[in-house]
Amino acid sequence: NAGVTQTPKFQVLKTGQSMTLQCAQDMNHEYMSWYRQDPGMGLRLIHYSVGAGITDQGEVPNGYNVSRSTTEDFPLRLLSAAPSQTSVYFCASRQDRSGTDTQYFGPGTRLTVL
Amino acid sequence: GDSVTQMEGPVTLSEEAFLTINCTYTATGYPSLFWYVQYPGEGLQLLLKATKADDKGSNKGFEATYRKETTSFHLEKGSVQVSDSAVYFCALSPGRGSTLGRLYFGRGTQLTVWP
Repeated sequence: NAGVTQTPKFQVLKTGQSMTLQCAQDMNHEYMSWYRQDPGMGLRLIHYSVGAGITDQGEVPNGYNVSRSTTEDFPLRLLSAAPSQTSVYFCASRQDRSGTDTQYFGPGTRLTVL
Repeated sequence: GDSVTQMEGPVTLSEEAFLTINCTYTATGYPSLFWYVQYPGEGLQLLLKATKADDKGSNKGFEATYRKETTSFHLEKGSVQVSDSAVYFCALSPGRGSTLGRLYFGRGTQLTVWP
């Protein structure tokens, strides 16, 4: 198993550009989520999905879109990048919603918006 | 609502010192509790977990006991090593019945261990 994979590892954008951060998992997990990590702020939930075709907003959804057409993939789209979106982004997946299972994280994408 | 509060760092220790990182939580129902560790330049990985009151999670010499009476899940290690230098996150998962399946994270505690 590759676990949770993310691409790219690093990205530099100019203000106003759009891009998609890719996330895939090969563990057949129902639940997938996107976090951003900023110094002193811990992890903040952007969007999550409880299964293919079902997505919802987390704490900080503005400026981001998601879709979940398959169980495996959960891309995060930045519509018009802003310097405030400079951050490290983590994708994560989890087996179910019972509350006891481990959440697995990808290695992260470090994004800089100029 | 559900939340986690953990002690702020950074924490700096000498090798072989005793480590405690405090974590308290607020939750309705019966949450599961987790400690995740993040090594430099990497994603988070599970360190240990406890899914019901009085459970003790342990791994790699680290331990934490789920204390419902004090709503705490403090992380401890008797003798830290340089290789333990990392950021540690306490997290809570709401109990069965939640429709979110999400984890609520503390802000993380940076641990640096010197030789």
